[in-house]
Amino acid sequence: KNQVEQSPQSLIILEGKNCTLQCNYTVSPFSNLRWYKQDTGRGPVSLTIMTFSENTKSNGRYTATLDADTKQSSLHITASQLSDSASYICVVSAKSNFGNEKLTFGTGTRLTIIP
Amino acid sequence: EAGVAQSPRYKIIEKRQSVAFWCNPISGHATLYWYQQILGQGPKLLIQFQNNGVVDDSQLPKDRFSAERLKGVDSTLKIQPAKLEDSAVYLCASSRTGALANSYEQYFGPGTRLTVT
Repeated sequence: KNQVEQSPQSLIILEGKNCTLQCNYTVSPFSNLRWYKQDTGRGPVSLTIMTFSENTKSNGRYTATLDADTKQSSLHITASQLSDSASYICVVSAKSNFGNEKLTFGTGTRLTIIP
Repeated sequence: EAGVAQSPRYKIIEKRQSVAFWCNPISGHATLYWYQQILGQGPKLLIQFQNNGVVDDSQLPKDRFSAERLKGVDSTLKIQPAKLEDSAVYLCASSRTGALANSYEQYFGPGTRLTVT
C-alpha cells in the first residue's frame, strides 16, 4: 500500500529561525515528489516538484531534498516569516493502472511561526 | 491567469439531505480532480476527469457520491444522501496534460467546507 509519512506532526519556531520538515514514503512506481503549502481555509499551493533524478530544488526560502534510495525527502525553510505559518504537505506521485498519475498525500506538518 | 473557482465556500446540511458543489478549472486545463480532505488529514482523491471522461473513480463512494463534467470544463460533485462522516473540505484541482513532470502540477481551488449535522 502506498504511504507517505511526515514528521513532526506540528512545529512551533521563532520568526527568523530555520526549520526542516521530514517526509518518508513507500510509493511505487515512483514518478515525482511534491511539497505543498496549505494556508488555513485555502487549497494547497505547490512549492516544489522533484523527479527521480533531482536531489534538491529551491523556491525562494524553501529548499527541498530527495533521496530516492532511502525514499526520504525534506523541506528546509530558511529565515522563517510569520506568513510561513501553514500546513506543509508531502505528496508522492505514482503511475497508476489507469495510466494517469496518482498522488498519495501525507497528513502534513502544521508549522506555526511566532514573533 | 485566474485560479480554480469553487462554490459554495461553506455549506451546512442535515444528514440524509443532498448537496452539490461546483468547480470551474483553470482555462485550458484538461484534467480535473475532486478531493475530500477530512480535518487533520491529507486530501484523498475521489475522482479524476480527463476532459469529460472519467480516468479514475476508484475511491468514489458511488452509492452516494456522483460527479460529472459534461462539456469538459465545469464540474459538479453531488452527495445524496449525506452522512455525518461526509463532513470535510471538498477540494477541486486542475492540471494540464503532457509528458513533462511539471505539466502535471495541480492547482487547487479554495475548497468547499461541508458540515453535516
